[in-house]
Amino acid sequence: QKEVEQNSGPLSVPEGAIASLNCTYSDRVSQSFFWYRQYSGKSPELIMSIYSNGDKEDGRFTAQLNKASQYVSLLIRDSQPSDSATYLCAVNRGTGTASKLTFGTGTRLQVTL
Amino acid sequence: DAGITQSPRYKITETGRQVTLMCHQTWSHSYMFWYRQDLGHGLRLIYYSAAADITDKGEVPDGYVVSRSKTENFPLTLESATRSQTSVYFCASTSTSSYGYTFGSGTRLTVV
Repeated sequence: QKEVEQNSGPLSVPEGAIASLNCTYSDRVSQSFFWYRQYSGKSPELIMSIYSNGDKEDGRFTAQLNKASQYVSLLIRDSQPSDSATYLCAVNRGTGTASKLTFGTGTRLQVTL
Repeated sequence: DAGITQSPRYKITETGRQVTLMCHQTWSHSYMFWYRQDLGHGLRLIYYSAAADITDKGEVPDGYVVSRSKTENFPLTLESATRSQTSVYFCASTSTSSYGYTFGSGTRLTVV
């Protein structure tokens, strides 16, 4: 089982719709969870972080965390063509100086006109 | 320039040569990381550092060497490059281990 799993996609949604991206992780002691956006040929950019169960909203983005189910999701409301990118889920494993992010392989999102 | 910078942006080298990829950050972040990104594998951690003179192996350290004599610099050396090390390499940093990382622009390395 991979440590962080994502559906590779592509996930295709029409402009204005809600895009739902999902991620599961294997290590129950993980404490911090992140979503990165990566445009083709560019570096990953942090867009959301979530540390406790429930929802966290930031503009059009909502991150959802369920530690019991080991599940993290990202909702993008009113999807725009500029949201077309690969979205990487990252989970912080370890503690203190041994803490490091493990990434999923990413889900490619296509927002169609 | 403020931020995290990597050099070179592109590099072509021959099998067996030594190559050093540079990473410099201006925030005085304690933590720095090297990842490689390959199709089908995503981002994989090569080495990381919690502070100057403290480094540790990640998931795929074989064939790589790092050093961190100054907080702001974290060079990655391929001692004897192999074709399997053809990849995009990203450096990242953070101030606190529980926070997200900020990535550099990446170095695209081709070993021929």
